[in-house]
This record gives sequence, structure tokens and C-alpha cells, in this order.
Amino acid sequence: DQQVKQNSPSLSVQEGRISILNCDYTNSMFDYFLWYKKYPAEGPTFLISISSIKDKNEDGRFTVFLNKSAKHLSLHIVPSQPGDSAVYFCAAGAQGGSEKLVFGKGTKLTVNP
Amino acid sequence: NAGVTQTPKFRILKIGQSMTLQCTQDMNHNYMYWYRQDPGMGLKLIYYSVGAGITDKGEVPNGYNVSRSTTEDFPLRLELAAPSQTSVYFCASISHYFRSTDTQYFGPGTRLTVL
Repeated sequence: DQQVKQNSPSLSVQEGRISILNCDYTNSMFDYFLWYKKYPAEGPTFLISISSIKDKNEDGRFTVFLNKSAKHLSLHIVPSQPGDSAVYFCAAGAQGGSEKLVFGKGTKLTVNP
Repeated sequence: NAGVTQTPKFRILKIGQSMTLQCTQDMNHNYMYWYRQDPGMGLKLIYYSVGAGITDKGEVPNGYNVSRSTTEDFPLRLELAAPSQTSVYFCASISHYFRSTDTQYFGPGTRLTVL
């Protein structure tokens, strides 16, 4: 049973436009969510996170939105750049007691020049 | 800081062979993790450790063993390699239990093929 779901395996957008990556979760114990970015032949790198006490977190071109009632979060990238082309993983965990993160399958973003 | 380092980067094994994937971190992190990533799939937790001498199973531990004799090192052992263990393996670490100010740092991965 997948606790963290990324239903879109891939997404293609034009440079300068908005990229929206979606993630759904089923476990109501999750209270912290992260997005990781992964380039080929490299390990994932942390991008942005959000705690369940917030509904939005922004860092430069990246914004994560959390809808707790829908158990849904999304990552917005504005404006998208070709260097953003990568696989994006959504991950969820519980703060202060759980040692483990649960990852989605990832969404491959391609930003076309 | 080198961060999290993994060796080797690539390896081909024959069925039934054994090997150890090495992972070292120089950030004095207590928590360390081993994940595997199969094509088109997310990262699945194999084993983790909350400190030297303490390890625990993750989601997919069968066929693997770990040890944690020092804070820095967290090797992953495959005793009898099987084709199902063909994957990319990532090691990660975090300073302590999960908090909003922390995130896991990942190594570059080891690509293992079992033929």
C-alpha cells in the first residue's frame, strides 16, 4: 500500500512557465513533507519542506502548498528553467519520534527551452 | 566536509556472490539509512541506524545485513546476491531524529547489477 503517491510519472513544460508537481498521502500521522530533486547518477538533494502547521512555504522560485484535509501537496516552480529538469520525489514523515521518511515514486520534469 | 560518500559507484555481481556496499559520513550524524531505488520506483528503506551499535529493519530488509560499529560508517552487506537485488543503492544520514530543521543528506549512490 503506497502511503505517498505521485500519480504523474512525467511532466513537460516550457521554459518560463509554471511547473506543478502533485503528491498525495494516505497516512494521517505524517506531519512533515519534503521535496527532493534528483539528477541522473546523483543522490537526491533536498529542495523544500513544509510542516503540517502551515499550508504554504516559499523559497525563491519554489513554493510548496499543503492541503491537509485533502491529504495533498503540490510543488510549484515559477518560472521553470531548463536546469530544473530532474526527477522530483515527494517524501513524508512524522516529526520528533519517527526516524523514517516514506518516498513517492517520483515525477520526471522536463523543461523545454 | 565530504558529506556522505559511497563506494563503489558501480558493481556487477554474479548470482550467489556477496559484497559490501560502503557508506561513510563526516558530519557526525547519528542517524543513517540505506535505500534502494528500482527503475520507475521511489526510494525504499532497507535498514537504518539511530546510532553506533543500533540498527533496525526498514521496508525491504530481506537479503541484506548491516552493522554500525562507528558513527561514521554504515556498511550494507549482500550475502547471496540475487537478480532481484539489481538496483541503485543510496545511503543517507541526518543529525538526529526527524525535525523540521533537518533533512536527510544522500550519497551519490551505488549502481549494482546482479547477473
